[in-house]
Amino acid sequence: DAGVIQSPRHEVTEMGQEVTLRCKPISGHNSLFWYRQTMMRGLELLIYFNNNVPIDDSGMPEDRFSAKMPNASFSTLKIQPSEPRDSAVYFCASSGIGPGLAVYGTQYFGPGTRLTVL
Amino acid sequence: RKEVEQDPGPFNVPEGATVAFNCTYSNSASQSFFWYRQDCRKEPKLLMSVYSSGNEDGRFTAQLNRASQYISLLIRDSKLSDSATYLCVVSLYNNNDMRFGAGTRLTVKP
Repeated sequence: DAGVIQSPRHEVTEMGQEVTLRCKPISGHNSLFWYRQTMMRGLELLIYFNNNVPIDDSGMPEDRFSAKMPNASFSTLKIQPSEPRDSAVYFCASSGIGPGLAVYGTQYFGPGTRLTVL
Repeated sequence: RKEVEQDPGPFNVPEGATVAFNCTYSNSASQSFFWYRQDCRKEPKLLMSVYSSGNEDGRFTAQLNRASQYISLLIRDSKLSDSATYLCVVSLYNNNDMRFGAGTRLTVKP
């Protein structure tokens, strides 16, 4: 079965440019999460959606960051304008409840997008 | 105080050794507990959930002490393939609010 899919896997951009990260959750999962990981701060939750609705965006660093989930199979995280301090690995994760799922409510991570802002 | 704190590591152990990681959490109302494993430049992956009664999965044993707000992971007969960063994870409500520790790096050497 396909896991969480993220694109691009690597992104290098210049300060001030817009960056869009994409995520396709595991089919049937109803919760989607965006995380950021850096050496200094570890893994931080940015925002999560439940049934395509944003539930908690308290982790979004500032107005330059925005996330959308137009349908159950797609989400985007946008940074505009990007800054060097946004350089990090951005992970998308999904979870769900229901029969056939390995562990109830556990989050499964995508491979991440490694973002470098010059 | 951080919500989830782990041994700073790194741990460098020989093959076959037994190694234990500790983790403490600050919110006594936390409901769910997990250990995730993260290989270098890869995503975190669930290693095991941690139950109040303690649980074992092969060479791995996880324990929870709610009174002390303490979680542990024991790895017996360590293998080279166990080399990774181990993340302690705590959830307050419904697994949608998972808080990750900074991780403890383990290197198993021949």
